[in-house]
Amino acid sequence: AQKVTQAQTEISVVEKEDVTLDCVYETRDTTYYLFWYKQPPSGELVFLIRRNSFDEQNEISGRYSWNFQKSTSSFNFTITASQVVDSAVYFCALIPGGGTSYGKLTFGQGTILTVHP
Amino acid sequence: GAGVSQSPSNKVTEKGKDVELRCDPISGHTALYWYRQRLGQGLEFLIYFQGNSAPDKSGLPSDRFSAERTGESVSTLTIQRTQQEDSAVYLCATVTGATQYFGPGTRLLVL
Repeated sequence: AQKVTQAQTEISVVEKEDVTLDCVYETRDTTYYLFWYKQPPSGELVFLIRRNSFDEQNEISGRYSWNFQKSTSSFNFTITASQVVDSAVYFCALIPGGGTSYGKLTFGQGTILTVHP
Repeated sequence: GAGVSQSPSNKVTEKGKDVELRCDPISGHTALYWYRQRLGQGLEFLIYFQGNSAPDKSGLPSDRFSAERTGESVSTLTIQRTQQEDSAVYLCATVTGATQYFGPGTRLLVL
């Protein structure tokens, strides 16, 4: 069975602060995909990033960056110079097995990020 | 998202009534998922359709829940004899590459 843990239930920061959202996962599969999704107040889940288990390179996209460390089974997400529009619930998720596109996602409980002006 | 639509966007029903939720996937996307998100919680997998193969129903919480999909077309999730604990957002997702893209969800409230 798979498990994704987001230990931070809620984080509150002031605009322009950097913030890191933690994600730890468990799986017995040697191949898997990891994801981050954003859920703004409107409710729709927005895809942010996908990382496969063979690629441990960190990735940066604008103010967003992701740190994948297989040794600690972690896939942390950092927002640099946070903005009010970053306020949302952020979910980390995992699909196990073989690189298939069709596995069901296992989600963490989510981290509520509030960025104050 | 990737163009998945769901209807209705909101549904209020009385306990004991049946409800039907609809998901319109992107044309040609063979894989379709239903998830449930209870207030303040993460998403729970419900059911998965892949083309004409038998669906994976392992996440359906009870026999009051059922879903249908014919080929690669619209899917409907039916909840019979609704209970208050069924109140949640029901999300549908379709697959592009190795990524699931979600529709806006149906917010179900059972009174």
